[in-house]
Amino acid sequence: DAKTTQPPSMDCAEGRAANLPCNHSTISGNEYVYWYRQIHSQGPQYIIHGLKNNETNEMASLIITEDRKSSTLILPHATLRDTAVYYCIVRDYNAGNMLTFGGGTRLMVKP
Amino acid sequence: GAVVSQHPSRVICKSGTSVKIECRSLDFQATTMFWYRQFPKQSLMLMATSNEGSKATYEQGVEKDKFLINHASLTLSTLTVTSAHPEDSSFYICSATPGQLVNQPQHFGDGTRLSIL
Repeated sequence: DAKTTQPPSMDCAEGRAANLPCNHSTISGNEYVYWYRQIHSQGPQYIIHGLKNNETNEMASLIITEDRKSSTLILPHATLRDTAVYYCIVRDYNAGNMLTFGGGTRLMVKP
Repeated sequence: GAVVSQHPSRVICKSGTSVKIECRSLDFQATTMFWYRQFPKQSLMLMATSNEGSKATYEQGVEKDKFLINHASLTLSTLTVTSAHPEDSSFYICSATPGQLVNQPQHFGDGTRLSIL
């Protein structure tokens, strides 16, 4: 699976949008972009995924660049409960379902 | 939504004890489940892939005789840490994917924190 690069940490003010970037410059055509988050001492929580088009659900929006080499996860109105480590993962859907986790971005939402 | 349940959530036991951790898919069937391990301030590391009705596939460096995996049904996989020692203390997390579509996301249990004294 392609490697991803994320900033190790970010801060965001409560109520503002949190924009978390991810670089995946070696992504291939078969690879989806997945975002998970892990709140302290819990298992990872699925947020959203996409292949080429931008995606939106009740939790977040995923913006994928046209060349697919990077993406941004947007939490439109961050709350204190959004403080977590956010993982961007690219996975080849032909290579099985296992996920390879990188270091992620530790998002701190501040009041 | 898809729910994965893990039990127990926390275990504290003496060195040399064997510990069994259960992972259940509550509202879907899973032919494959995954076991991860996470040390403090580190990311999740895949330990093994659990396959219903067949042997598990272990990642390089993971001792199959120490971490026994059994996937006897489509909704249950167990991980047994045999003769656990303090260095096995970690956060163990399982995951599973509902459905057969290749791009379905994985869903994770809430993890088991294992502390070996």
